[in-house]
Amino acid sequence: GAGVSQSPRYKVAKRGQDVALRCDPISGHVSLFWYQQALGQGPEFLTYFQNEAQLDKSGLPSDRFFAERPEGSVSTLKIQRTQQEDSAVYLCASSPNTGGSGNTIYFGEGSWLTVV
Amino acid sequence: GQNIDQPTEMTATEGAIVQINCTYQTSGFNGLFWYQQHAGEAPTFLSYNVLDGLEEKGRFSSFLSRSKGYSYLLLKELQMKDSASYLCAVRRGGSYIPTFGRGTSLIVHP
Repeated sequence: GAGVSQSPRYKVAKRGQDVALRCDPISGHVSLFWYQQALGQGPEFLTYFQNEAQLDKSGLPSDRFFAERPEGSVSTLKIQRTQQEDSAVYLCASSPNTGGSGNTIYFGEGSWLTVV
Repeated sequence: GQNIDQPTEMTATEGAIVQINCTYQTSGFNGLFWYQQHAGEAPTFLSYNVLDGLEEKGRFSSFLSRSKGYSYLLLKELQMKDSASYLCAVRRGGSYIPTFGRGTSLIVHP
């Protein structure tokens, strides 16, 4: 597609429910990032993939959070047993290559999660 | 870790020039990004600096001083549509991952 696509755009979950958030990166992009953004804050890093390899998951806040990118394209962020503090916008971003000079990182519009 | 500091909020007048500063402390350095984010929308890329100096792109320019851990985003001929949050993000040495500051909310008034 033309840009990074995320679904669902909006999700309301009851506390304790599991949720899955999907990211379709720009076709051919090697790098994929997940960020969490609370209202009025900057994006906070969650995890990073290079193709299908999850190279960094140091930002995942607890073992309730899990991300995968099994075929090196679409990625899913799963949150188990959601808590109210998980309410945030979850942003996915992709980049054509792996770092070095001047890569533009393109963001999707985010999945807005509200836990009630 | 990384420490990125930018003002929380700024106001400016339509047609004017505004400079948004970003200071950072990081172990090593592998580039600095500026993004614009309108409320409820995705961050959109504005600029990337890895060498010292000024990069100009239309009404927007970005400056970097690595020795001072300092960058600024300069917006000229402000328009109402420039009202948005401006995010500074830094990659530490050897990393592909940008770490973001809290963002600066810019309000442009007539």
